[in-house]
Amino acid sequence: AQSVTQLDSQVPVFEEAPVELRCNYSSSVSVYLFWYVQYPNQGLQLLLKYLSGSTLVKGINGFEAEFNKSQTSFHLRKPSVHISDTAEYFCAVSDPAGAAGNKLTFGGGTRVLVKP
Amino acid sequence: GAVVSQHPSRVICKSGTSVKIECRSLDFQATTMFWYRQFPKQSLMLMATSNEGSKATYEQGVEKDKFLINHASLTLSTLTVTSAHPEDSSFYICSARPMTGAADTQYFGPGTRLTVL
Repeated sequence: AQSVTQLDSQVPVFEEAPVELRCNYSSSVSVYLFWYVQYPNQGLQLLLKYLSGSTLVKGINGFEAEFNKSQTSFHLRKPSVHISDTAEYFCAVSDPAGAAGNKLTFGGGTRVLVKP
Repeated sequence: GAVVSQHPSRVICKSGTSVKIECRSLDFQATTMFWYRQFPKQSLMLMATSNEGSKATYEQGVEKDKFLINHASLTLSTLTVTSAHPEDSSFYICSARPMTGAADTQYFGPGTRLTVL
């Protein structure tokens, strides 16, 4: 079984400042890693994912994340945020070899509030 | 891009009634759809995995008779909350995995907010 911990439930940040959202996971097998964004009263939109290969993954809207196997982390970063980045961000993992086939396990979410 | 719709987007019902929520993949076929539940300010919890033409697989602690799932076609899955009670009030989100393409891909619907009075 896998688990995901997002260490910060809320991150206030000023516009144009950088932001980092922390995500740690626990799994006995190799996993796929994802970051999703959820705007109010909407479903989830994929920001980026790590399946294999380069540990630095670039996604949409200027976000990137780095997979660190030794620290079992997949932190999300953006060098300069906009007001429109205010949203809930979810880190998720899946077991590609699992019987259920890529079921996602989500972290608790991090609410990003961008202030002008 | 791939689009998943949910209907209705919002529903209010009386306690004891049943509510059906539809999840449709609009421009692709989905062999597998997932149903999630999200409480206010909390994460998504997987309720069940729905495969076209077969019975859904429910997660531990989810009542099969309470949350009926039907996946009758490659573009439609339905979740019926039977005899709804106030504690069933939640945001229900579905996702769909395309029949073709990478198995890690899921597209999410916009969600359905259920309020049981």
